[in-house]
Amino acid sequence: DAKTTQPNSMESNEEEPVHLPCNHSTISGTDYIHWYRQLPSQGPEYVIHGLTSNVNNRMASLAIAEDRKSSTLILHRATLRDAAVYYCILSYGAGSYQLTFGKGTKLSVIP
Amino acid sequence: EAGVVQSPRYKIIEKKQPVAFWCNPISGHNTLYWYLQNLGQGPELLIRYENEEAVDDSQLPKDRFSAERLKGVDSTLKIQPAELGDSAVYLCASSLGAGKGQETQYFGPGTRLLVL
Repeated sequence: DAKTTQPNSMESNEEEPVHLPCNHSTISGTDYIHWYRQLPSQGPEYVIHGLTSNVNNRMASLAIAEDRKSSTLILHRATLRDAAVYYCILSYGAGSYQLTFGKGTKLSVIP
Repeated sequence: EAGVVQSPRYKIIEKKQPVAFWCNPISGHNTLYWYLQNLGQGPELLIRYENEEAVDDSQLPKDRFSAERLKGVDSTLKIQPAELGDSAVYLCASSLGAGKGQETQYFGPGTRLLVL
């Protein structure tokens, strides 16, 4: 199974951009890259996903390396509400529903 | 639109007692998931339903855990008897069930179980 590697923790100042890295060197051609986040005492929530091209939505941007072996979640202006654990997840191929969560990156936002 | 609803939010029981968790998915979502989350870890899938059929229950400890999804809507996860190691957060999620590989899962707030 393709796995992801993320830093255990990161810090950011409020209102500054945040770049959360994820390595997935064994990704296969049909694996989607998903990002979820989990705020304290809540269930995970979807942030963004992509396959090959960079993606933007109202929450964040996803930058995918050309070889797809890494990706970066970009929060354009961190707020205190963005303090959460961020999970980078690969869905194993177009035929799979399974999301296998790792430990994620705990993002702290400093006022 | 209401999100995924779970109850209870918290439960404290003594070991060897039974416990049940209830989940109401988002209306129209055919796929329902139960996850277990231990402290400091990411969620782990226990079981996935497509409508009323359990299509992936390989990670469900069947000696003490059981689940059902009658009529393909609400679902119940049961533990009998509970053990100390079952203390965790139990999360329910749902998805439309149409876009394999790029399914967005919507999670409920979870039920925090403490077994004494």
